[in-house]
Amino acid sequence: DIRVTQSPSSVSASVGDNVTISCRASQGLSSWSAWYQQKPGKPPKLLIYAASSLQTGVPSRFSGSGSGTTYTLTISSLQPEDFATYYCQQANSFPLTFGGGTRVEMK
Amino acid sequence: QVQLQESGPGLVKPSQTLSLSCTVSGGSVSSGGYYWTWIRQRPGQGLEWIGHIYFTGSTSYNPSLKSRVTISVDTSKNQFSLTLSSVTAADTAVYFCASGIPRWFDPWGQGTLVTVSS
Repeated sequence: DIRVTQSPSSVSASVGDNVTISCRASQGLSSWSAWYQQKPGKPPKLLIYAASSLQTGVPSRFSGSGSGTTYTLTISSLQPEDFATYYCQQANSFPLTFGGGTRVEMK
Repeated sequence: QVQLQESGPGLVKPSQTLSLSCTVSGGSVSSGGYYWTWIRQRPGQGLEWIGHIYFTGSTSYNPSLKSRVTISVDTSKNQFSLTLSSVTAADTAVYFCASGIPRWFDPWGQGTLVTVSS
């Protein structure tokens, strides 16, 4: 199985900050990666797919980048509704696997 | 716009079989392009892909669960289903159904909590 490691596990930030979350895979993903946002009691919401493609309806302050084994989610100018947990997912090979999550908390 | 809704018992006894269904609205389980998927999230934990079924009936399962999992489609009800046999407390989780497009997931159902306890 491909292991997916996210860092940091949590980050404290303020509204207006830029936040960067990293994801490292144990094997190259050839850009087969995605990012999700999850709020308590809700299902995850797809933000980014294919490493850098923004899902329809997702604000442009979310962006993804990366290649090979390392991928990044950036939230530019954090908004109040962005406090949540974020997960990366590798879609390169089965079984599909997720990172452990990064909680974005209010400073 | 496809919407998904899970249904099934919220409590299952150890060693018994967990059975959940996911009703698809706004789309058809018989149409190509979607991989009908189950994912679970143990309390306070991350996400675990359980498996999927394609409209052709082709399935793929997580090897960690493969011996206990079956995913099937009922086209007459526009549903797909999950059965997980010989459950233990470790199977207590929120179970989500989702559509894979093809290997990332959108949309998701709201999720249903299944507790394994006697």
